[in-house]
Amino acid sequence: GENVEQHPSTLSVQEGDSAVIKCTYSDSASNYFPWYKQELGKGPQLIIDIRSNVGEKKDQRIAVTLNKTAKHFSLHITETQPEDSAVYFCAASPQLGGGADGLTFGKGTHLIIQP
Amino acid sequence: DAGITQSPRHKVTETGTPVTLRCHQTENHRYMYWYRQDPGHGLRLIHYSYGVKDTDKGEVSDGYSVSRSKTEDFLLTLESATSSQTSVYFCAIRGGTGSQETQYFGPGTRLLVL
Repeated sequence: GENVEQHPSTLSVQEGDSAVIKCTYSDSASNYFPWYKQELGKGPQLIIDIRSNVGEKKDQRIAVTLNKTAKHFSLHITETQPEDSAVYFCAASPQLGGGADGLTFGKGTHLIIQP
Repeated sequence: DAGITQSPRHKVTETGTPVTLRCHQTENHRYMYWYRQDPGHGLRLIHYSYGVKDTDKGEVSDGYSVSRSKTEDFLLTLESATSSQTSVYFCAIRGGTGSQETQYFGPGTRLLVL
């Protein structure tokens, strides 16, 4: 089955700087890659996703890039703000929307924004 | 929040007792999922459902059963709870249409098995 590796496990950046979180996946059939943000005590919230027919997608300060040949995808957050502090999860699936059998998640990155 | 509620939100129970967690959705979504979240493991799929009475096992299904007798409710049961089942449990639905389909998560249930 699919295996998703996520790095780093903890990332501390100064407010206003950029943050990059990287994930690799093992199943070449995967073609849907969402990113979730989880705040303390809450459920994961989708922040951005990318399908395999797209190499990059941007939404304001957040962007995701996908390299299918290398089987890796990354989350980029620019001009970080205190409210960006949270745990971020990447995930992969061979089907859009996570398919019938769900998403395979990375282990998460704790992003800390230093004032 | 895609109209997903989970109950209870917190539960403390003893080893060996049965526990049932409920996921309720209000938007008539076909696909529903149960995940567990543990430190160092991210989220792992327990069971999923693709319709009323249609369910299947996920990655970590041992010790769990599910039922879906109506579209809006997906129940997760721990027949005899063990300490290894202490975790945070999240329900999710597959929502959106076409290329916008994705999974949306509920607020979670924190379960402590003593």
